[in-house]
Amino acid sequence: NAGVMQNPRHLVRRRGQEARLRCSPMKGHSHVYWYRQLPEEGLKFMVYLQKENIIDESGMPKERFSAEFPKEGPSILRIQQVVRGDSAAYFCASSPAGRFNQPQHFGDGTRLSIL
Amino acid sequence: AQKVTQAQTEISVVEKEDVTLDCVYETRDTTYYLFWYKQPPSGELVFLIRRNSFDEQNEISGRYSWNFQKSTSSFNFTITASQVVDSAVYFCALSEDGSGGYQKVTFGIGTKLQVIP
Repeated sequence: NAGVMQNPRHLVRRRGQEARLRCSPMKGHSHVYWYRQLPEEGLKFMVYLQKENIIDESGMPKERFSAEFPKEGPSILRIQQVVRGDSAAYFCASSPAGRFNQPQHFGDGTRLSIL
Repeated sequence: AQKVTQAQTEISVVEKEDVTLDCVYETRDTTYYLFWYKQPPSGELVFLIRRNSFDEQNEISGRYSWNFQKSTSSFNFTITASQVVDSAVYFCALSEDGSGGYQKVTFGIGTKLQVIP
């Protein structure tokens, strides 16, 4: 998908390590959304951020997960002390504004595998 | 709360057959958007269509067509003369105004389509 860049595309971690997933939104977009896709399931909303602000993190696990979208640089989804159940595809989307009539553009996802 | 149901988890068809993927949604809002995405085996999400809740016109794009019926809260997707390259997981999604005035997108669990040559 043109525009939204996620890296790495694949990430392998051992249990207990930290995982950092990066998302650079499309040019001109200041709103970022993270979704998680567990194996054989649809995407589930995790968190919505604007520059330097978390707007809604209702879909994010309370422990070990955090997200940020600094003034400069990509949005980061951070998972501490990873466990097997964190293995999933993590998708980032961006939009120029938060209004629901603004379509979200998705990146290609990061596939996280926990050994 | 919004909800998207894709009752067909897996469908297999023989190449050149037509196939319809069902999507039923629930929402309390009068204004919302519906989407279809394709996820091929390579894993990325490919946007197919976005439809506003006020636009009930059916849409056709090549071999793809969409039937939106508000009366039954359905947004079904038909592939005509299916091809092997259509094999993928297809997601239906719903976007409505979040309580904070921003969009929240809810995805169905997806329908895995296998087109057999």
